[in-house]
Amino acid sequence: DVKVTQSSRYLVKRTGEKVFLECVQDMDHENMFWYRQDPGLGLRLIYFSYDVKMKEKGDIPEGYSVSREKKERFSLILESASTNQTSMYLCASSFRVVPGQGNKEQYFGPGTRLTVT
Amino acid sequence: LAKTTQPISMDSYEGQEVNITCSHNNIATNDYITWYQQFPSQGPRFIIQGYKTKVTNEVASLFIPADRKSSTLSLPRVSLSDTAVYYCLVAPNAGNNRKLIWGLGTSLAVNP
Repeated sequence: DVKVTQSSRYLVKRTGEKVFLECVQDMDHENMFWYRQDPGLGLRLIYFSYDVKMKEKGDIPEGYSVSREKKERFSLILESASTNQTSMYLCASSFRVVPGQGNKEQYFGPGTRLTVT
Repeated sequence: LAKTTQPISMDSYEGQEVNITCSHNNIATNDYITWYQQFPSQGPRFIIQGYKTKVTNEVASLFIPADRKSSTLSLPRVSLSDTAVYYCLVAPNAGNNRKLIWGLGTSLAVNP
């Protein structure tokens, strides 16, 4: 059974703290994603990684950074947490896209609900 | 850049067929259309994907007209357990997965 795990289901942090959200997948996927999900705004891509040590900015990268030192692990870092980063954070992974063969299914973790006070 | 638009919510009853339409007027030639389902407190889960015409699997069908400016997810004979949020995703079949255009989701409520 495929699995994407996230380090915490719920997290409460104070403004200004450095926050690490960890994601691990056991499917040998090349691609990994970090999204945030807010009511009425759907899924918004923060960062994407297509290989170890490789990363690309998504639609809303400001205030976030990422790290991918190993293929199975993708970390999202909030350098100085702010209240507007209170959200549900979802990690996903997929195989690399092969042109002409459709897009690869993304497998999502259960999410981390982060509250910044 | 493609933009996806889908209804915010829909209501149905058990046993009925439900059709959810996603509009993507600026879809590009190499974009594929994918639908995901999300239950509360869970991440989204893949349902079906297509490029053109009709695709069917064990849980749903996806209808895409020739101009590909919209797509319709069809759920046959829904049950209470189909109550969820359904997302439409338009993304290119290319190496750079960053151009992911998600709809805002359609909240489907199935009533007894």
